[in-house]
Amino acid sequence: DVKVTQSSRYLVKRTGEKVFLECVQDMDHENMFWYRQDPGLGLRLIYFSYDVKMKEKGDIPEGYSVSREKKERFSLILESASTNQTSMYLCASSLGQLNEKLFFGSGTQLSVL
Amino acid sequence: EDKVVQSPLSLVVHEGDTVTLNCSYEVTNFRSLLWYKQEKKAPTFLFMLTSSGIEKKSGRLSSILDKKELSSILNITATQTGDSAIYLCAVGTGTASKLTFGTGTRLQVTL
Repeated sequence: DVKVTQSSRYLVKRTGEKVFLECVQDMDHENMFWYRQDPGLGLRLIYFSYDVKMKEKGDIPEGYSVSREKKERFSLILESASTNQTSMYLCASSLGQLNEKLFFGSGTQLSVL
Repeated sequence: EDKVVQSPLSLVVHEGDTVTLNCSYEVTNFRSLLWYKQEKKAPTFLFMLTSSGIEKKSGRLSSILDKKELSSILNITATQTGDSAIYLCAVGTGTASKLTFGTGTRLQVTL
């Protein structure tokens, strides 16, 4: 089975801090994604990557950046955390082009105080 | 802008009931529709429906895609408390592999 691992289940940070959320997948998937999930808004795509060192903006990229230096690892960076970035963050991966079946990590609940 | 709408937003049923969850979409260049179940942790894959596979079934769960009506239903028969979860609908479009999600339907099954 595909395993997508997010480094932290719960995280509490202060406004203005730089925050790193890490995600690792173990099935050699080409595609990786970062979503945030908020009540009433569902899952919204922040950034995604089709290959190492490649990234594309999703629907809500403002305030975030990403890094994909290795195929198995996709990091989400909050350069200066704000309270409106308090959310559940979900990482996902999929096999490759034209393959929409996503495998999700367990999520990181981030609270920014 | 692609849009996926799920209804109802939440639902409470008794164990043994049959439920139908709805998903409608307005997207350009539809490719696929997927259903996920989310309990406390990661969403887990249930079904993927495409033009070449408009009906799927697994045990007590089944799903149908209606391309004419731009919608899909997820049916759960003989519900159990373990079916309590958020059910997510997502649509894949164009040549990209990314999905657009609905807001989800929260299902609670009581004894």
